[in-house]
Amino acid sequence: AQKITQTQPGMFVQEKEAVTLDCTYDTSDPSYGLFWYKQPSSGEMIFLIYQGSYDQQNATEGRYSLNFQKARKSANLVISASQLGDSAMYFCAMREGRGGGFKTIFGAGTRLFVKA
Amino acid sequence: DTGVSQNPRHKITKRGQNVTFRCDPISEHNRLYWYRQTLGQGPEFLTYFQNEAQLEKSRLLSDRFSAERPKGSFSTLEIQRTEQGDSAMYLCASSPQGEEAMNTEAFFGQGTRLTVV
Repeated sequence: AQKITQTQPGMFVQEKEAVTLDCTYDTSDPSYGLFWYKQPSSGEMIFLIYQGSYDQQNATEGRYSLNFQKARKSANLVISASQLGDSAMYFCAMREGRGGGFKTIFGAGTRLFVKA
Repeated sequence: DTGVSQNPRHKITKRGQNVTFRCDPISEHNRLYWYRQTLGQGPEFLTYFQNEAQLEKSRLLSDRFSAERPKGSFSTLEIQRTEQGDSAMYLCASSPQGEEAMNTEAFFGQGTRLTVV
């Protein structure tokens, strides 16, 4: 069964506008972490933001925020004030706790295009 | 320590040949992961180690694939009798272990791009 689902293969956003990239996940482990990574065309994986399953507040890191809705098992990434350099692939990932062996698995990704 | 290092960066091989890739993780990280990524897709989990113990292997990892981490430091991924379908980017990542490190991201290497001709 797919554990991480990213339903948007591609997204367009106008420069300086906000964009939301969707991610839903599936786990029965009460302890898990959710991560977002950015992969530009150069290929490196860049960590953006983390949300723990027990965190009460949504995570924020600069222009990135994570809209965590635990009951719906969603962890959407919000990028505010988009910049041309934000054009890249974005991956949602989940690390399950002891029940999942602490391994990290990834979604299929969303390609974001920022238009000038 | 400058991060996760993978060698070689690129490998072109003929179908049927064996190839071996190396990953040097961040030195204090107990966990080491191998992923395969094809164009436009997310990294697919292949296997991972805690120290020298291989804890899980994906069903994607056929008998032609083997991974080792003999001393709990660097790891090698070998593909025997390569096929054209093995062409992909092979990514290595490392992270600290355990529940206390749940919030620590996996650190990725630059990957090894394999092309089987």
